[in-house]
Amino acid sequence: AQKVTQAQTEISVVEKEDVTLDCVYETRDTTYYLFWYKQPPSGELVFLIRRNSFDEQNEISGRYSWNFQKSTSSFNFTITASQVVDSAVYFCALSDFNNAGNMLTFGGGTRLMVKP
Amino acid sequence: ETGVTQTPRHLVMGMTNKKSLKCEQHLGHNAMYWYKQSAKKPLELMFVYNFKEQTENNSVPSRFSPECPNSSHLFLHLHTLQPEDSALYLCASSQFVTDTQYFGPGTRLTVL
Repeated sequence: AQKVTQAQTEISVVEKEDVTLDCVYETRDTTYYLFWYKQPPSGELVFLIRRNSFDEQNEISGRYSWNFQKSTSSFNFTITASQVVDSAVYFCALSDFNNAGNMLTFGGGTRLMVKP
Repeated sequence: ETGVTQTPRHLVMGMTNKKSLKCEQHLGHNAMYWYKQSAKKPLELMFVYNFKEQTENNSVPSRFSPECPNSSHLFLHLHTLQPEDSALYLCASSQFVTDTQYFGPGTRLTVL
């Protein structure tokens, strides 16, 4: 069975601080995708990134960066110079390609609060 | 309208009511999904439709009945719900079932 663990349920930082959100996953699949989504107070899940299990290169997009380490089954997300608008719940997810297609297993989410 | 839209955004219903949630995607996608997000559990996949055909029912009680008349529209018909069904119901779509899913804003459902 697949599992995604986001051990940090809540993180509070002051604006301009860097913050890392942890994600650890379990799967028996050799081919899978990892995702990060952002859920602001409005409720909509906003797609941030998808990473293929064969591609362990780190990725940077503006203030966002992701560190994929297959050896430790982790896919951590770092926000540099955080801003108040980054306040949201962030979900890490894992897909299962063995069934009908893209079955997402979500972690419990990390609530990030960025204070001015 | 762009992306994935859901109506209504908020719904309050009694246990004996019948109501429907609507989802529409304007992305030209072929797969659509219903998820349930409650306070006590992680996001749970409920149903998957691929080219209008249901391909996944994640052990959802029969009081939830999905309908997908075409690739752009997805409904969730609700009947004799329980208070524990109160949650945020999210719709998503993807180009194909192997592609990234894009979510709507959700319907906040309260069952009295």
